[in-house]
Amino acid sequence: AQSVTQLGSHVSVSEGALVLLRCNYSSSVPPYLFWYVQYPNQGLQLLLKYTSAATLVKGINGFEAEFKKSETSFHLTKPSAHMSDAAEYFCAVTQTGGFKTIFGAGTRLFVKA
Amino acid sequence: SQTIHQWPATLVQPVGSPLSLECTVEGTSNPNLYWYRQAAGRGLQLLFYSVGIGQISSEVPQNLSASRPQDRQFILSSKKLLLSDSGFYLCAWSVRSVNGPQHFGDGTRLSIL
Repeated sequence: AQSVTQLGSHVSVSEGALVLLRCNYSSSVPPYLFWYVQYPNQGLQLLLKYTSAATLVKGINGFEAEFKKSETSFHLTKPSAHMSDAAEYFCAVTQTGGFKTIFGAGTRLFVKA
Repeated sequence: SQTIHQWPATLVQPVGSPLSLECTVEGTSNPNLYWYRQAAGRGLQLLFYSVGIGQISSEVPQNLSASRPQDRQFILSSKKLLLSDSGFYLCAWSVRSVNGPQHFGDGTRLSIL
């Protein structure tokens, strides 16, 4: 069975600091991995996706994530946080041939001025 | 381009009243469709998904039901709402037969009084 674990329900960084949001997955077959962002009272928006083409994936708004099979991780990073990055972030995994996506519990990112 | 519409944006209903939330997708055919619920400060709970007209899979036993009367229309219903049905309801779609991302509507905030 697939699962996704996001380490840290809340992460706080200063504006301009590195953003690191952690995600570990469990999947018996090669996974498809995604990061989504959710702003208050809105739906989820796709940030980036890993579909086995390249281990380092670049997304929107300056975010990127690296797929590490040996660590079963797909951590999300951004070199310099902006105030507008404050939101909730979800890591998700879909199994090859599957209809369903498993979402992590989410990490709320706070950005301090 | 593809778009997804969800309405209403907010809804306040008394306990025991019926519910109908509607979701439509434009610009694509034969999508997979999904209903999620997001309780305050919590992750996404998959309620229903559909891979075709009239085909509904339920993930969680509850007093909610879903229907797909047309290819790009997905409806979430209840005959009698409970207090525990309060939450943020999200509709999503994905391309069928491709392990791609899901695309979300803006959600409906449902409050039960």
